[in-house]
Amino acid sequence: DQQVKQNSPSLSVQEGRISILNCDYTNSMFDYFLWYKKYPAEGPTFLISISSIKDKNEDGRFTVFLNKSAKHLSLHIVPSQPGDSAVYFCAASVQAGTALIFGKGTTLSVSS
Amino acid sequence: DTEVTQTPKHLVMGMTNKKSLKCEQHMGHRAMYWYKQKAKKPPELMFVYSYEKLSINESVPSRFSPECPNSSLLNLHLHALQPEDSALYLCASSQIRDTAYEQYFGPGTRLTVT
Repeated sequence: DQQVKQNSPSLSVQEGRISILNCDYTNSMFDYFLWYKKYPAEGPTFLISISSIKDKNEDGRFTVFLNKSAKHLSLHIVPSQPGDSAVYFCAASVQAGTALIFGKGTTLSVSS
Repeated sequence: DTEVTQTPKHLVMGMTNKKSLKCEQHMGHRAMYWYKQKAKKPPELMFVYSYEKLSINESVPSRFSPECPNSSLLNLHLHALQPEDSALYLCASSQIRDTAYEQYFGPGTRLTVT
């Protein structure tokens, strides 16, 4: 049973607009959530994270929102750029130094 | 330096071969990980090493044998693999701290077992 779900396999957005990637989880023991970006033939690259005690974390164009009651998080990219085109993985963990549980990923395509 | 390197990038091996995957990081991280990613699936944890000692083995078959010879290196020894073991093998590292959740990944080794 998938503990981390990314229900949209793909998302297409125009350059300059907002990209919103969504992620749902089922395990209430998750303590920390992360977003990774992956280009073809490369490993996942850490993007941004959020602790379960917060509801928002911002880093430049990237903002992650966490709604614990809904077991939902989202990644907002504003403004979107063609270089943002990649696969985005949502991940979660119950404890540092243990497994990251990944979603299946969402492929973002940003057109100019 | 935030890089994790992995060699080789690609590996094709027969079911009777013995081969090794290598991973190296120079970030001073004392936790290192092996993940396996099958096509169109998310990465799944195989092993964790903390301070060069195996701390987590996710019930991985014994044909996969990890080794951490020092704080910068992590190996995965492969022997008598099956075709279904074909996958992308990712190495990652992280600090060891209660708040250090971020893991940094290498580019992976694409393994094909024939």
